[in-house]
Amino acid sequence: DVKVTQSSRYLVKRTGEKVFLECVQDMDHENMFWYRQDPGLGLRLIYFSYDVKMKEKGDIPEGYSVSREKKERFSLILESASTNQTSMYLCASSLGGGYSNQPQHFGDGTRLSIL
Amino acid sequence: SQQGEEDPQALSIQEGENATMNCSYKTSINNLQWYRQNSGRGLVHLILIRSNEREKHSGRLRVTLDTSKKSSSLLITASRAADTASYFCATTGRSGGSYIPTFGRGTSLIVHP
Repeated sequence: DVKVTQSSRYLVKRTGEKVFLECVQDMDHENMFWYRQDPGLGLRLIYFSYDVKMKEKGDIPEGYSVSREKKERFSLILESASTNQTSMYLCASSLGGGYSNQPQHFGDGTRLSIL
Repeated sequence: SQQGEEDPQALSIQEGENATMNCSYKTSINNLQWYRQNSGRGLVHLILIRSNEREKHSGRLRVTLDTSKKSSSLLITASRAADTASYFCATTGRSGGSYIPTFGRGTSLIVHP
């Protein structure tokens, strides 16, 4: 089974801090994704990557950056955390190479609170 | 941008009853997927239906797709308390070299024992 592991289930940080959320997948997937999930808004795509060192903006990239130095690891960075970034963050991976009929595999999420 | 919209937003049924959730979308799709999310957990993929398919089954799940109406339905038969979860549909868009699923807001299903 594919395993997507997010480094923390719960995280509390202060306004203005630089925050790193880490995600690791063990199935050699090309594609990796970061979403945030808020009540009533569903999942919104922040960034995704379809290869090492490649990244593309999703729907809500402002205030975030990402890093993918190795195929299995995709990091989300909050450059200067703000209270409106309090949310559940979900990482996902999928097979890539142009395949469109591949499901996404999700981690259990990181519930981030910015005080 | 949100593509799929699930209906109803919330559904409450008794164990043993069937549960039907619907998903509508606006633009042409390559495929449509359904996911389940248990409280406080990540999403789990349930089933994928391609745009040239009309119906698909997996255990107690039945998914239909009507591309002329731009809609899909997920039917869970003989529901169990363990089916209590949120259910999301996701349609594919295209960006860069890969296809990116776009998720709806979900249907919250409660199955009472």
